Formats: sequence, C-alpha cells, structure tokens
Amino acid sequence: ETGVTQTPRHLVMGMTNKKSLKCEQHLGHNAMYWYKQSAKKPLELMFVYNFKEQTENNSVPSRFSPECPNSSHLFLHLHTLQPEDSALYLCASSQELGLAGDEQFFGPGTRLTVL
Amino acid sequence: QKEVEQNSGPLSVPEGAIASLNCTYSDRGSQSFFWYRQYSGKSPELIMFIYSNGDKEDGRFTAQLNKASQYVSLLIRDSQPSDSATYLCAVRGLGYSSASKIIFGSGTRLSIRP
Repeated sequence: ETGVTQTPRHLVMGMTNKKSLKCEQHLGHNAMYWYKQSAKKPLELMFVYNFKEQTENNSVPSRFSPECPNSSHLFLHLHTLQPEDSALYLCASSQELGLAGDEQFFGPGTRLTVL
Repeated sequence: QKEVEQNSGPLSVPEGAIASLNCTYSDRGSQSFFWYRQYSGKSPELIMFIYSNGDKEDGRFTAQLNKASQYVSLLIRDSQPSDSATYLCAVRGLGYSSASKIIFGSGTRLSIRP
C-alpha cells in the first residue's frame, strides 16, 4: 500500500448504528487530518493530530469521535449520526504541522450515507 | 469569521488559452496558500503552494500572491482538457499554533473546451 488509504470506501448506516472509519498513511508523516466534504459546501476541517496529539477540534459534534493511536493511523468513530452528516469524509496527512509549505496528501475518502 | 472566497464557476476556457482562477481571503494573519485540483469523484491533489508575495511558477502553472490585497490566484497556461476539474484554494497560518487553522474555499469549476 502506498500513500493514504481509507476504509471503507462506502458506508451506509442508520441513525442508531455505531461505525468507524479508518485511515492509514504510508508516507512517514506526523500530522493527520479529518475533513468533511458535503455537496456545494467548502471542504471542512474537522480534526487535526500532530505526533498523535489532537491540535484542532473545529467545533465538531460529539457524535464524531476521533482516535489517533500512532502517527500512521487515524480513526473516526461514528454514533447516533444524523442524515445531514451524509458526506464524503476525507483523511489527509502531512509531514509535520507548522512547516512552511506543509503539503497534505489526501486519501480517497469514505462516502457516508446516513439513513 | 475567517473566509476564503472563490468564484464557483463554471469557468469555461478554450483549449490552449490561459485559465485564471482567483481566491480572496479575510484573515490577514494567513501565511501559507495552497491550490488543489479535484476531479469529480476523486480526492484533492496539491498543485502548488506559495507563501511569499509575487509569482511562483511550476510548469504550466503560476501562483500569484498579493498579501496586501489578500488575493491569491492560479494561472494555467496552454490549458488542456485534462485540466477540467474543480480547483480549491486553501489558506492556513504558519507556525505550529496557527497551522491547524486550515480553511478551504468552495472551489472553482474549470471546463476546458476543445
């Protein structure tokens, strides 16, 4: 595997379900990010981790719970979601937070549908 | 409210012409500026970043930054049909504490007509 991978690629869940999204990066990076991309809305930053420490929670509802056990893996735990949470969830990684030109590499995303 | 604004388009440009994409931002403390390309159904990929005033060229792409006017642009020379995509402008602070603040524009859809 190379780059940033995400699983599953597609997920359909009910509002009472609990599911998790997984992201793995094979680039030796130290920063990882979760984004939400909804139709006709800008890409929204949700969470940022640098060296496994959360540095940003962009006012995300508690029904989204991130976990970063090490610099290569990032999870997004989902529970009691709402239909408006249906979106493309993108994971990204970068070398290290704060570096000039710190390029983010994006994974392919998980297309989430909440029924 | 920190914002990054882009014209949503679609911007239609004939093949071989120059495509000009614009982005304005509201936070004067912003230091790093990125242009991403996103094909339909795909994830964003970085084209260029710039953090000094002036122009930065990479192949057919030129990024231009004017911090006084809070304006960043992307020029694509010799436009090709494969350049048809949505172009996202992203803005972030420099340094550890502000680099977490990353804001994307809503993107400009570019269409290159043969």
